[in-house]
Amino acid sequence: GAGVSQSPRYKVAKRGQDVALRCDPISGHVSLFWYQQALGQGPEFLTYFQNEAQLDKSGLPSDRFFAERPEGSVSTLKIQRTQQEDSAVYLCASSSSDRGFYGYTFGSGTRLTVV
Amino acid sequence: KNEVEQSPQNLTAQEGEFITINCSYSVGISALHWLQQHPGGGIVSLFMLSSGKKKHGRLIATINIQEKHSSLHITASHPRDSAVYICAVFNTDKLIFGTGTRLQVFP
Repeated sequence: GAGVSQSPRYKVAKRGQDVALRCDPISGHVSLFWYQQALGQGPEFLTYFQNEAQLDKSGLPSDRFFAERPEGSVSTLKIQRTQQEDSAVYLCASSSSDRGFYGYTFGSGTRLTVV
Repeated sequence: KNEVEQSPQNLTAQEGEFITINCSYSVGISALHWLQQHPGGGIVSLFMLSSGKKKHGRLIATINIQEKHSSLHITASHPRDSAVYICAVFNTDKLIFGTGTRLQVFP
């Protein structure tokens, strides 16, 4: 597609529920990043994929967070047993270059609210 | 202390004013990005800099590597420039973001 597409756009989850957030990157982009943006804050790095390989998951806040990109294109960020502190906008970005050095295209994000 | 600091946090201006947003960082970088984020979350990349100065329309970005400082200028500001402007530095293998500057331009 023309841009990075994320779905759903908004998600309300009850505390303890599992959620799955989807990112469709620009076709052919090798690098894919997930970021978490709390209200009023800048995005914080969660994890990075180069094709299907998850090269860096150092930003995932707990083992309740899991990301995959099995075929090197679409990626899913899964959060198990959601907690209120998981409420944030989850941003996905993709890049044609290794590690995104030459620039990124961001999706519009998924706003997750845990009640 | 944040590795990327922006100032001011909030900025209001009248249409036509010259705007400056500052970014200072404390880590080694290979590039610096200026990003624009509109309400609803969409982020648009404005510039990527590793040295000197870049200009695109009414936007100008400069970087001083020795001083670890960058500025984003908007000339002849317009209400449609209202957004959050975010500075992000490319460190090793990931972007580190500042907390953003919220700009509101009034007619």
